[in-house]
Amino acid sequence: NAGVTQTPKFQVLKTGQSMTLQCAQDMNHEYMSWYRQDPGMGLRLIHYSVGAGITDQGEVPNGYNVSRSTTEDFPLRLLSAAPSQTSVYFCASSSSDVYNSPLHFGNGTRLTVT
Amino acid sequence: AQTVTQSQPEMSVQEAETVTLSCTYDTSESNYYLFWYKQPPSRQMILVIRQEAYKQQNATENRFSVNFQKAAKSFSLKISDSQLGDTAMYFCAFLPGAGSYQLTFGKGTKLSVIP
Repeated sequence: NAGVTQTPKFQVLKTGQSMTLQCAQDMNHEYMSWYRQDPGMGLRLIHYSVGAGITDQGEVPNGYNVSRSTTEDFPLRLLSAAPSQTSVYFCASSSSDVYNSPLHFGNGTRLTVT
Repeated sequence: AQTVTQSQPEMSVQEAETVTLSCTYDTSESNYYLFWYKQPPSRQMILVIRQEAYKQQNATENRFSVNFQKAAKSFSLKISDSQLGDTAMYFCAFLPGAGSYQLTFGKGTKLSVIP
């Protein structure tokens, strides 16, 4: 029962490098989202998707791209990493009824940008 | 834009005692949903309890209950008979109704249960 799987668990990047954080879910959830968690800031929504081919911006989208080509996968791309993007990133999914269905979170990716 | 405020960065409670975590929010919406999520040291976030704004009855899930005061825009979480496994960060979250998918989290309260 995998749920939401995030890879990698840890990553160190140099400023200006690019990378993709992977997120996959096996629950046939239509809604998927990315959050970043910073000390003293709680979780902030980066991007979300309500189905394949549909994405939208959250509270802090700058510096990140997403795409949703399949129901299962929702990768987060950092095109040119900056130290301000050092954070723990969480992927979460739920059914389309986000009001009555809990968000299922992955275990997070700890990203450090030097 | 909605804001969620958790005024207690850290709290502690003796095992078997009761503790209340506070959360206030600001919104102009009339219909919305409120949640408490728990993040233990393992980092895995899990839903503790949810409340629909149009329901006056406070939600309860076993040892967890909420005190929802709509007029005061307050949504506190009460944990009864605290257990060591309750040690975690607790996040209050707000979701507007009417087709919104943007969940807003508070900054969290770190709860420590002391044996």
